[in-house]
Amino acid sequence: DAGITQSPRHKVTETGTPVTLRCHQTENHRYMYWYRQDPGHGLRLIHYSYGVKDTDKGEVSDGYSVSRSKTEDFLLTLESATSSQTSVYFCATWTQESTDTQYFGPGTRLTVL
Amino acid sequence: GESVGLHLPTLSVQEGDNSIINCAYSNSASDYFIWYKQESGKGPQFIIDIRSNMDKRQGQRVTVLLNKTVKHLSLQIAATQPGDSAVYFCAEGGGSNYKLTFGKGTLLTVNP
Repeated sequence: DAGITQSPRHKVTETGTPVTLRCHQTENHRYMYWYRQDPGHGLRLIHYSYGVKDTDKGEVSDGYSVSRSKTEDFLLTLESATSSQTSVYFCATWTQESTDTQYFGPGTRLTVL
Repeated sequence: GESVGLHLPTLSVQEGDNSIINCAYSNSASDYFIWYKQESGKGPQFIIDIRSNMDKRQGQRVTVLLNKTVKHLSLQIAATQPGDSAVYFCAEGGGSNYKLTFGKGTLLTVNP
């Protein structure tokens, strides 16, 4: 699993509050990704990073921001959470060690009331 | 919360049977394809990949077939076991953008 951890694993929050999710990897992978997964939609890319301080938007980036100050950490922030952001969030990194693929973390289940 | 397995195509097989899961991909320029397995409450797990210059690739109990003419990918699981019960989805990628596009998945249920 490329040594990927996510925290918290579960969070319940209220509409309008800020929320930060953390992804931590131990493999020194350059590329990191944040996805959300919702029934009927599959995995959708929110933001990704191609290096420290280098990030770009994915297909569903509205309402989200990211930061990457260190290779190992990629943070996803919901500035003002809304009920539509209730989802399961996955972090992934890109590896080319044996094959080109993305490895995923265990996920964070976020509920916005 | 609602399971990712809801609203998905489903395939139900008996233990010991072979399973075939299909995926139609969208971009004819994609040059690599990956199959993932996702068990309930867990992150997607890499199973096998294939490059566009190949038609078939085999792993342990799994085979991936690629038909570029009709943009179709399949995953064959031999001697399906209860532990194979999960959502399976394909992903396609290409070029140097290091991004993948994911299919919505198929829920495989293995009956003992």
